[in-house]
Amino acid sequence: AQRVTQPEKLLSVFKGAPVELKCNYSYSGSPELFWYVQYSRQRLQLLLRHISRESIKGFTADLNKGETSFHLKKPFAQEEDSAMYYCALRFGNEKLTFGTGTRLTIIP
Amino acid sequence: EPEVTQTPSHQVTQMGQEVILRCVPISNHLYFYWYRQILGQKVEFLVSFYNNEISEKSEIFDDQFSVERPDGSNFTLKIRSTKLEDSAMYFCASGGKRGGTDTQYFGPGTRLTVL
Repeated sequence: AQRVTQPEKLLSVFKGAPVELKCNYSYSGSPELFWYVQYSRQRLQLLLRHISRESIKGFTADLNKGETSFHLKKPFAQEEDSAMYYCALRFGNEKLTFGTGTRLTIIP
Repeated sequence: EPEVTQTPSHQVTQMGQEVILRCVPISNHLYFYWYRQILGQKVEFLVSFYNNEISEKSEIFDDQFSVERPDGSNFTLKIRSTKLEDSAMYFCASGGKRGGTDTQYFGPGTRLTVL
């Protein structure tokens, strides 16, 4: 069965410090991985997906198949990064399987 | 930029009542989804819909649930006889292409409270 694990429910980081949000997945095939973000009172938005290999709002994520991880990183946190972050997986079919989410708070 | 819209934003109902949650997907999208999030828990897949039929559903999506695309623009989720445990945030999503070539765009959600 597909499973996504985000071990940190809450993460607080000082402004300007590096951020890493952890995501591990379990699936025997080659899934597609996503990070979605939900800012306060807003909808879930796609932040990035591993196949595009791009940086959005300074965030990057590398798929590590050996460690089955897709950690989200940003070198210098900004206050507007405070939000709920969800890692999600999709393989073959269309449904997204989400992790439990990490609430990131940036301390000014 | 086009967005998925959902109505109402908040629905309060009595246990045993029927509710219909409405969604207007992005107009040229072909794939439609419902997810739900119980407070404090993760977002869970309920059902996917393509070409006027259900393409996949989860264990949560039992006989009390149904989906419909009644008029070519709206996409509805009906819960026939609501239970207390149906209280959750319900998200609609739509996508343009099947599988890994497109992302899913989410609506703002409907908060359902069953009393």
